[in-house]
Amino acid sequence: GQQLNQSPQSMFIQEGEDVSMNCTSSSIFNTWLWYKQDPGEGPVLLIALYKAGELTSNGRLTAQFGITRKDSFLNISASIPSDVGIYFCAGQLNQAGTALIFGKGTTLSVSS
Amino acid sequence: GAVVSQHPSWVICKSGTSVKIECRSLDFQATTMFWYRQFPKQSLMLMATSNEGSKATYEQGVEKDKFLINHASLTLSTLTVTSAHPEDSSFYICSARGGVRLEKLFFGSGTQLSVL
Repeated sequence: GQQLNQSPQSMFIQEGEDVSMNCTSSSIFNTWLWYKQDPGEGPVLLIALYKAGELTSNGRLTAQFGITRKDSFLNISASIPSDVGIYFCAGQLNQAGTALIFGKGTTLSVSS
Repeated sequence: GAVVSQHPSWVICKSGTSVKIECRSLDFQATTMFWYRQFPKQSLMLMATSNEGSKATYEQGVEKDKFLINHASLTLSTLTVTSAHPEDSSFYICSARGGVRLEKLFFGSGTQLSVL
């Protein structure tokens, strides 16, 4: 099946530092999304990207849809303790309402 | 905003019993709902796509007789794990689509199933 390669698998940073994570795929995706999941909860959408090259911000978060449609990155600036969680990239292969394919996640730990 | 309610949030059952998990869209109609399974520290793996009024579409390797999905109304889909075994223990998450744009795709809070 389709796979998204997400890296890094985990990150341990100090409060205030910037964070970057990315996803790549061998397939072309129509849509890229970034989610955050807290323990014992479902994922919550952070940013959705619909166009190749699109750069979108949501507060301290910035994400970009790669020009090739095969990759995306998420940056978090000036991290705070509540940024702790698992971040997933997800992609949708076409616009026909198909389900999302998720990356394996990046676990972020922030020490104050 | 739109909310997807998933119930129960956790369940412990004996091996061989069946467990039903409900997924409800509270303030929108969802013609399509998705069921995912997630193991600890792993990604969400799609199990099946549930369309209201029709049979669910299962992903390769997912036993349709084991994981029964019913989407009888525009606001409710259920997943029944039949004759559960310890290897079925997992975190199950549903999502519901309330529109074309993916900002309208909402996830439930998940159900932790533990089979003894």
